[in-house]
Amino acid sequence: EAGVVQSPRYKIIEKKQPVAFWCNPISGHNTLYWYRQNLGQGPELLIRYENEEAVDDSQLPKDRFSAERLKGVDSTLKIQPAELGDSAVYLCASQTQGKRTGELFFGEGSRLTVL
Amino acid sequence: QKEVEQNSGPLSVPEGAIASLNCTYSDRGSQSFFWYRQYSGKSPELIMSIYSNGDKEDGRFTAQLNKASQYVSLLIRDSQPSDSATYLCAVAKNNFNKFYFGSGTKLNVKP
Repeated sequence: EAGVVQSPRYKIIEKKQPVAFWCNPISGHNTLYWYRQNLGQGPELLIRYENEEAVDDSQLPKDRFSAERLKGVDSTLKIQPAELGDSAVYLCASQTQGKRTGELFFGEGSRLTVL
Repeated sequence: QKEVEQNSGPLSVPEGAIASLNCTYSDRGSQSFFWYRQYSGKSPELIMSIYSNGDKEDGRFTAQLNKASQYVSLLIRDSQPSDSATYLCAVAKNNFNKFYFGSGTKLNVKP
């Protein structure tokens, strides 16, 4: 079974440029999360989807960040315009609803560097 | 106040020793508790989960939960160099829908 797939793995952009990250969760996982992890910190939630519905986006900086999960499968996280403080690793995670172990399956992450 | 607090370390232990990692949480309504391991440059992976007071053992790993003290710990017996990683403590609320992570404790196991 394929794991959570993210792309790109690395992205370097200049400030004020746009950037987008893509995530393909584990097949059948209805819940999808986007987290941001700064160096030396734990992951912090940006947004949670149940199928195609964003059910928790309270921590998403909506002035510059947007996300979508069309058809309840793949998801895209966009930043426009990027700021220096956005440099971080953006992690996508998925979770099955069928077995409530609470386990999150993480992708390898997309490391963003804003110059 | 942070939801989950961990000592950032690094915690250094010799190979074969017991490594003890600790975590406290602020919300008594937290329902479930997890330890994730994160190797440098990699994504977190779940190694232990615990839902009720007491100890839970899985191989060389033992998770301990004390809800009265709002304290979670992870013991790694017979530590190996391959255990060198950052260990993230996480708590879940709202029926596994809300996860909070600590900042992680870096463990170094010296050969």
